[in-house]
Amino acid sequence: SQQGEEDPQALSIQEGENATMNCSYKTSINNLQWYRQNSGRGLVHLILIRSNEREKHSGRLRVTLDTSKKSSSLLITASRAADTASYFCGLDQTGANNLFFGTGTRLTVIP
Amino acid sequence: EAGVAQSPRYKIIEKRQSVAFWCNPISGHATLYWYQQILGQGPKLLIQFQNNGVVDDSQLPKDRFSAERLKGVDSTLKIQPAKLEDSAVYLCASSPLTGYGTEAFFGQGTRLTVV
Repeated sequence: SQQGEEDPQALSIQEGENATMNCSYKTSINNLQWYRQNSGRGLVHLILIRSNEREKHSGRLRVTLDTSKKSSSLLITASRAADTASYFCGLDQTGANNLFFGTGTRLTVIP
Repeated sequence: EAGVAQSPRYKIIEKRQSVAFWCNPISGHATLYWYQQILGQGPKLLIQFQNNGVVDDSQLPKDRFSAERLKGVDSTLKIQPAKLEDSAVYLCASSPLTGYGTEAFFGQGTRLTVV
């Protein structure tokens, strides 16, 4: 079973707009990671946020983490057509030493 | 640095046949994961190795799936016999450490079609 759940399941925006996707989870975590998957490819790591961090930036990416609400958000600013992909949150669960993924958000950026 | 290598890239088999997938992780990575990703879903963790020991195989259907990691390096995942519902992409990933603060590196996957 999936340990996390992203929403929305699908998101379609115009190029240049911002895209926000959310991840909710149920367990205690060491860190939360966001990955991108282009069609037919493996997952690519984007950014990692530790459980004691609240916000992190990397280029056009901004991630927030609220451990009290067990949720995280990924913001992609000034989107590009090349950002079209599926985005997954990965949960590094406390005491479990593993990496579970959510259901994913399918992002389409229209040129 | 070479990435995670998987083979074959594609495989089509008939139900009840056997199939094996191979993964060569990034050199020096202690942790190796196998995931099953059914079309339209997120990756589901099947088994996780730390060196050549199993850390988590709670979601591995052990009546038909098996995996091994010899000498803590390469790994093979086998399905015997295959069912139609095993059609999926099988992803291998590796990381230098488990737990706090480590990203996973993924291979391109093996797309299995069971007919």
